[in-house]
Amino acid sequence: AQSVAQPEDQVNVAEGNPLTVKCTYSVSGNPYLFWYVQYPNRGLQFLLKYITGDNLVKGSYGFEAEFNKSQTSFHLKKPSALVSDSALYFCAVRDPDSGNTPLVFGKGTRLSVIA
Amino acid sequence: KAGVTQTPRYLIKTRGQQVTLSCSPISGHRSVSWYQQTPGQGLQFLFEYFSETQRNKGNFPGRFSGRQFSNSRSEMNVSTLELGDSALYLCASSLGQGQYNEQFFGPGTRLTVL
Repeated sequence: AQSVAQPEDQVNVAEGNPLTVKCTYSVSGNPYLFWYVQYPNRGLQFLLKYITGDNLVKGSYGFEAEFNKSQTSFHLKKPSALVSDSALYFCAVRDPDSGNTPLVFGKGTRLSVIA
Repeated sequence: KAGVTQTPRYLIKTRGQQVTLSCSPISGHRSVSWYQQTPGQGLQFLFEYFSETQRNKGNFPGRFSGRQFSNSRSEMNVSTLELGDSALYLCASSLGQGQYNEQFFGPGTRLTVL
């Protein structure tokens, strides 16, 4: 069964500095990978996804993520953090090679950007 | 386009009662999924529906059930509520049944069981 891990519960970064939110996955075949963000009292918002092709994926609000098959990772990055980026970030995976499987989410990483 | 809507936004129930939550997907979306979000367990998958058919079911007891209607609207029902059912219940819709489709989430229904 597919799984995803976000090793950091909390990431703190100064405004203007680059940020990275880590995600590793486990699937039997080739993964479909997603990043979502959740602001307080809101549902999740889609940021970006990797399905196939270029390993570097660009998404909303200046975020990007790099798919690394050898390290089974899909880390979320942004060159310059904003205070408004402070939120809860979720990585999610689907394993299409295992049939019709649901989307599985990591536990989430709380990002705090300090002015 | 209007986003995913969920009603009600907040619910307070007592143990043993039952509850029905409603979700209206984005117009044209035929796939609806439900998740339970709690601080301890994170986001856990409940059900996935496409064209009124349940395609996937998560590891929840039979007290949790759902359905999808011909207009793609979906409901989930929890019977014999327990304290541990207190959570944010999120509904998400996607365009089709392809697993590569991103999901669009509603704001959730906050259920409190007393």
